[in-house]
Amino acid sequence: GQQVMQIPQYQHVQEGEDFTTYCNSSTTLSNIQWYKQRPGGHPVFLIQLVKSGEVKKQKRLTFQFGEAKKNSSLHITATQTTDVGTYFCAGPRYGGATNKLIFGTGTLLAVQP
Amino acid sequence: DAGVIQSPRHEVTEMGQEVTLRCKPISGHNSLFWYRQTMMRGLELLIYFNNNVPIDDSGMPEDRFSAKMPNASFSTLKIQPSEPRDSAVYFCASSRLAVYEQYFGPGTRLTVT
Repeated sequence: GQQVMQIPQYQHVQEGEDFTTYCNSSTTLSNIQWYKQRPGGHPVFLIQLVKSGEVKKQKRLTFQFGEAKKNSSLHITATQTTDVGTYFCAGPRYGGATNKLIFGTGTLLAVQP
Repeated sequence: DAGVIQSPRHEVTEMGQEVTLRCKPISGHNSLFWYRQTMMRGLELLIYFNNNVPIDDSGMPEDRFSAKMPNASFSTLKIQPSEPRDSAVYFCASSRLAVYEQYFGPGTRLTVT
């Protein structure tokens, strides 16, 4: 079945350092979404990328969708303590007839002030 | 607008008891998803509905789990009988059809002793 892996599983950074998480799917995706889950909270939608090679920015966050639409990355510049949480990528299988998302394994980000 | 509503927020029950989790999706959303989250298995899709019809229940662990959506504004996930390994956080999410962005509820933390 379709699998979506993320690396690293865990990252600890000092406040102000940059952070990147990578997402790799075993199959081509129609689009890729990113969610953030704060400790004790629920996943919250951040962004969706649709086009091959697409890059989007949200303030200090930069999201990229790979050319083959099988991988993606999230880069945070100058982390802050408010960035703490688990970041998930998710995507529907390309050509799939459903709106079912497969969530990645997640990357837990810890930021030390 | 109110977000996705789930009840109860916390449930502690003894092994063998029946557990019913409830979800009210966002008004106007016609897709509803039930997820389970554990440290070991991450975020797993259990079942989802489009227009109140179950589309994919391949993630339902076994016959002890059942889900219904009698109308567009209400869904239940039932576990009977419950077992300690069912302990997890159960999330309900909703979205518009053909729009992949999902909105998650606050979750129900289930503990089975």
